Amino acid sequence: GIQVEQSPPDLILQEGANSTLRCNFSDSVNNLQWFHQNPWGQLINLFYIPSGTKQNGRLSATTVATERYSLLYISSSQTTDSGVYFCAVASNQFYFGTGTSLTVIP
Amino acid sequence: DAMVIQNPRYQVTQFGKPVTLSCSQTLNHNVMYWYQQKSSQAPKLLFHYYDKDFNNEADTPDNFQSRRPNTSFCFLDIRSPGLGDAAMYLCATSRDPLGPAKNIQYFGAGTRLSVL
Repeated sequence: GIQVEQSPPDLILQEGANSTLRCNFSDSVNNLQWFHQNPWGQLINLFYIPSGTKQNGRLSATTVATERYSLLYISSSQTTDSGVYFCAVASNQFYFGTGTSLTVIP
Repeated sequence: DAMVIQNPRYQVTQFGKPVTLSCSQTLNHNVMYWYQQKSSQAPKLLFHYYDKDFNNEADTPDNFQSRRPNTSFCFLDIRSPGLGDAAMYLCATSRDPLGPAKNIQYFGAGTRLSVL
């Protein structure tokens, strides 16, 4: 199967700071999604981004498919951004990354 | 509006007592997935249905079964829950498991299962 590694595993930020989360994957994929898992456990879709760059408010993501990585940028972080961020990739099935646990402190 | 709905949100069962978790969707998606997520781990795919075709992951224990009576509903049956089955169970849907831009997954809020 495809190996999906995320870094860093844990991140603590002061409110207002910016951050970059990384997702590396070991093979070609036709789907890459970024999710935010909130403290209640729900996985919220952030981006569907198998290639290219997208932006949604304070969040943006870039996937360089040829180099097999994706980046999630969070700008001006807020306490509500806390939670676990997962990337998931798919070729013939889905593989979740190891996750980045983000804590934003006031 | 909730598009993938899981009931109940919290379920408590006794060791060895069968339990059923339910998932419904209003998206009319072909594919429904069940994941198990234990504390501080990534979700792990148990199985999925593509329409009526059932696809089991190789390492999913026989204790876990699934039913999909129609497009909208899918059930997860745990025949004899053990303490190690306590976890969050997540249901997801997508239009297609393989087609580019068709296999975006949408998740429900999950059911957190406790086994006493």
